[in-house]
Amino acid sequence: GENVEQHPSTLSVQEGDSAVIKCTYSDSASNYFPWYKQELGKGPQLIIDIRSNVGEKKDQRIAVTLNKTAKHFSLHITETQPEDSAVYFCAASKGFQKLVFGTGTRLLVSP
Amino acid sequence: GAVVSQHPSRVICKSGTSVKIECRSLDFQATTMFWYRQFPKKSLMLMATSNEGSKATYEQGVEKDKFLINHASLTLSTLTVTSAHPEDSSFYICSATTLRDTGNTIYFGEGSWLTVV
Repeated sequence: GENVEQHPSTLSVQEGDSAVIKCTYSDSASNYFPWYKQELGKGPQLIIDIRSNVGEKKDQRIAVTLNKTAKHFSLHITETQPEDSAVYFCAASKGFQKLVFGTGTRLLVSP
Repeated sequence: GAVVSQHPSRVICKSGTSVKIECRSLDFQATTMFWYRQFPKKSLMLMATSNEGSKATYEQGVEKDKFLINHASLTLSTLTVTSAHPEDSSFYICSATTLRDTGNTIYFGEGSWLTVV
């Protein structure tokens, strides 16, 4: 089955810096790669997703890149703000099948 | 984005009793819903996949007789924790799949904190 690895487990940056979180997946048939932000005590919130037919997607300060050959995808957050502090999860799935999650990255943005 | 609502957000129950958690897709129909369990500082663990009108598919190691899942309509799935014990205390989260113009997308509810005393 699919296996998703995520790095780093924790990431501390200064406000205004960029943050990059990387994930790798094992199943080449996976075609949907969402990223979720989870704040303490809340459910995961979809922040951006990418499908296997594109290599990059951007939404304001957030971007995701996908390298199908290497089977890895990354989340890029520019101009980080303290409110970006949260746990971020990557995930992978095939069609309507279940999501397989990475282990999460705790991002701390210091003012 | 699409809205998935869970109720209750927090529940405390006595050991041995059963508790039901509801998951509703508020502005779309979801043929597939998923139930997860999350321990503190851990990733989400899939418990089961719930398809409208059919039996749920449980992940290995999840007791189907303990965690009863019903998906009676395209907008509602329920998780019932039967004969709850303190070790069942956890954060339970549901998600629902909807089809957008770009393809299927999965949204999560706000989660339900269960404490068994």
